Order: sequence, then structure tokens, then C-alpha cells
Amino acid sequence: DGGITQSPKYLFRKEGQNVTLSCEQNLNHDAMYWYRQDPGQGLRLIYYSQIVNDFQKGDIAEGYSVSREKKESFPLTVTSAQKNPTAFYLCASSISSANTEAFFGQGTRLTVV
Amino acid sequence: GQQVMQIPQYQHVQEGEDFTTYCNSSTTLSNIQWYKQRPGGHPVFLIQLVKSGEVKKQKRLTFQFGEAKKNSSLHITATQTTDVGTYFCAGRGRSIKFYFGSGTKLNVKP
Repeated sequence: DGGITQSPKYLFRKEGQNVTLSCEQNLNHDAMYWYRQDPGQGLRLIYYSQIVNDFQKGDIAEGYSVSREKKESFPLTVTSAQKNPTAFYLCASSISSANTEAFFGQGTRLTVV
Repeated sequence: GQQVMQIPQYQHVQEGEDFTTYCNSSTTLSNIQWYKQRPGGHPVFLIQLVKSGEVKKQKRLTFQFGEAKKNSSLHITATQTTDVGTYFCAGRGRSIKFYFGSGTKLNVKP
């Protein structure tokens, strides 16, 4: 069953702790993305990767880090430097980064207390 | 920077009424995509428009891309309760990145 999987669905962390969100896809897609969604707002791009071992900052990369060591995996680390980390995080992938639809994971709702 | 504005933010309709959401960009777009996000769910791709003035239909949904490729609309005819959700447009300019609108949350009263 092909798709894109994010885990966990809900995540709670204490302020000041780093936390890593998992994103795995078995669609053989080259491009992967991380978005942040806040209530009443659209999706804002955090990081994206067009190919293995390469990634670029999106519009709100500060306080986040990523890696792309494998084609299937694009984990996102929310560091303690992120001022307001509580949000809904969505991972997506696409065949390539140009003119193709994005497939989204189920999302991870991160709450920092 | 590039921005895609989407209105209205919310729309409440009676089942059977029509619904329209609009997206406007400050710059010319190379293409625009539309997504639907059900409550508690994730965005699901609906369609992509590429050509100036393009119109595409999916059953009761009609998508339009403006002549200047700066605006787009999604129109739903005779809404049903299954149409409930938030509709997002995502526009792409010169870069490879898509810029999402803030979404229009549709509520349909039975």
C-alpha cells in the first residue's frame, strides 16, 4: 500500500527540548516537503528537498533542521530555537518539484508545554 | 515576496446553494493547484491549472485560471454536506516553490 506516513500523530514535548518528526514515503518520489499549518492560516513551507542529500530552506526555516540521507525519508527536527513550535506539521512528496501534485501525510500535531 | 491571497476565509451555506472561493496573486503564476482538507485531515490534491484562461470541471466543481494568470477560482454548484472542508489554492511563480493561500473554510448546513 503506497503512501506517505508521518509519525506520531500527536506529540507533546517540554519547552527547550528538541523533537524529531518522522516522514517516510514509498512512492519513489524525488521531492519532499515540510509545511507548518497554524489555525486560520495556509501552509507555510519550512524546508524542501528535490533529491537525496540535498535540501533547501523554505520561508520559515529558522529553528528547524532536516536531513535527506535516503530517498524515502525526510525527518524534521524542531529545535529549542523555534520560538513558537506548537503547530500542525505536514509532510508532502511529489514525483518532481515542478508541476506535479503533492501527496500529503496525515500530519503530526506538536504541542510544546 | 510572492503572496497568494484567498477569500473568503469562511463561508457558511445551506445545502444546495453554490459556493465560490477566490485566489489572487501579486505576480504572474506559472500554474496553480487546488487542494481540499477535510476537518482533522490532510490536504488532498484536486486539480492543477496551467494555461491562461483555463477552465476545468470535476462533476459539480469548476476551476478557472485567469487570463493574466494572477487569479483563480473554485466554484461548487449545489453544495452537499460532503463538500465540507477547507479549500486551498497553491500558486507557483518562477521558483519551484508553491505558495499556499490561507484557505476558505466551507460549512454546509443540511
